[in-house]
Amino acid sequence: EAEVAQSPRYKITEKSQAVAFWCDPISGHATLYWYRQILGQGPELLVQFQDESVVDDSQLPKDRFSAERLKGVDSTLKIQPAELGDSAMYLCASSSDPAIQYFGAGTRLSVL
Amino acid sequence: SQKIEQNSEALNIQEGKTATLTCNYTNYSPAYLQWYRQDPGRGPVFLLLIRENEKEKRKERLKVTFDTTLKQSLFHITASQPADSATYLCALGNNNDMRFGAGTRLTVKP
Repeated sequence: EAEVAQSPRYKITEKSQAVAFWCDPISGHATLYWYRQILGQGPELLVQFQDESVVDDSQLPKDRFSAERLKGVDSTLKIQPAELGDSAMYLCASSSDPAIQYFGAGTRLSVL
Repeated sequence: SQKIEQNSEALNIQEGKTATLTCNYTNYSPAYLQWYRQDPGRGPVFLLLIRENEKEKRKERLKVTFDTTLKQSLFHITASQPADSATYLCALGNNNDMRFGAGTRLTVKP
């Protein structure tokens, strides 16, 4: 069964350092999402792509976060510089129908 | 502002019983509602989708209802098993907008 691939699974970094997360969606899925999930809360959308175009990045802290999906397939989310409050699970999801999203296993980020 | 509330942070039930989880929302008109299962340290897994013009959906031991008048969805797991222990998230969607509740952690005791 096709899955959304994310790497790394875990990342520990010091504040002010740069971090990057990678996501490979299910083949053929035009829509890709990046979410942030703080422990005990639901996922919150950071950015949504339709192919290579950003559809919604209204909740992305653009002073430190950036996301790209250059060829409309895999995607990278970057944080520079990382802050203590960025510690969370970063989830990638993809869909061909917006009503059903398929999530990857996530990257657990710890900022020290 | 829009709000999604799931009935409680945690629900403990005995194996074999029916688990009922609640999702209430305000200031939102979803076109569809979904339920996801999330295990610790993992991403959410899609379970069921119900659209605004549907009252009830079933899948094996799972049943979801959607009442747009009450602004509420109920999620039932019948004949619950310890393997059903997880956090269950409801999500409401409209066009390209989707919002998640905080989840209810279900524990099924043998």
